[in-house]
Amino acid sequence: GENVEQHPSTLSVQEGDSAVIKCTYSDSASNYFPWYKQELGKRPQLIIDIRSNVGEKKDQRIAVTLNKTAKHFSLHITETQPEDSAVYFCAASIPPGNNDMRFGAGTRLTVKP
Amino acid sequence: IAGITQAPTSQILAAGRRMTLRCTQDMRHNAMYWYRQDLGLGLRLIHYSNTAGTTGKGEVPDGYSVSRANTDDFPLTLASAVPSQTSVYFCASSEGTGGFRDEQFFGPGTRLTVL
Repeated sequence: GENVEQHPSTLSVQEGDSAVIKCTYSDSASNYFPWYKQELGKRPQLIIDIRSNVGEKKDQRIAVTLNKTAKHFSLHITETQPEDSAVYFCAASIPPGNNDMRFGAGTRLTVKP
Repeated sequence: IAGITQAPTSQILAAGRRMTLRCTQDMRHNAMYWYRQDLGLGLRLIHYSNTAGTTGKGEVPDGYSVSRANTDDFPLTLASAVPSQTSVYFCASSEGTGGFRDEQFFGPGTRLTVL
């Protein structure tokens, strides 16, 4: 089955700096890779996702890159702001016929003002 | 529009008791999911349902059962609770059928403590 590893587990940056979170997955059949943000005491919410036919996707200050050959994908946040402080989770899904979703263990991002 | 709701918000339960966590969505989503979230382990899929009338096992299904009698509701039952089932439980739903390719919308969560 799929195994998703996420690094680092904690990340602290200064406001305005960039933050990068990396995930690796094990199943080469995985084709959908979402990223969720979870603020303290709140529910996870999707911030960006990427499908296996695309190498990079950007949405304002957030971007995700995917390297299918190496089986890893990364979240990039530029010009970080204090409100970016949260736990971020990556995930990998598996196509129909092997229905499952695996999440990484999460990265706690702290943006210091 | 409520989106996706869960009940109860929190619960303290004696070991050995039966408990059903409720989840309802009004988005007419086909797929629904139950996760548990434990510190340091992220979200782990317990059970899922691709459409009304069907269910499947996720990563950690033991000790839990689900049913999907209609599109809107997806209850999770702990037949005989044990302390290791102490966790925060999230229900989620997505539009998709036949797989997990769509954005999942999460409920507010249920904090369950088993003593």
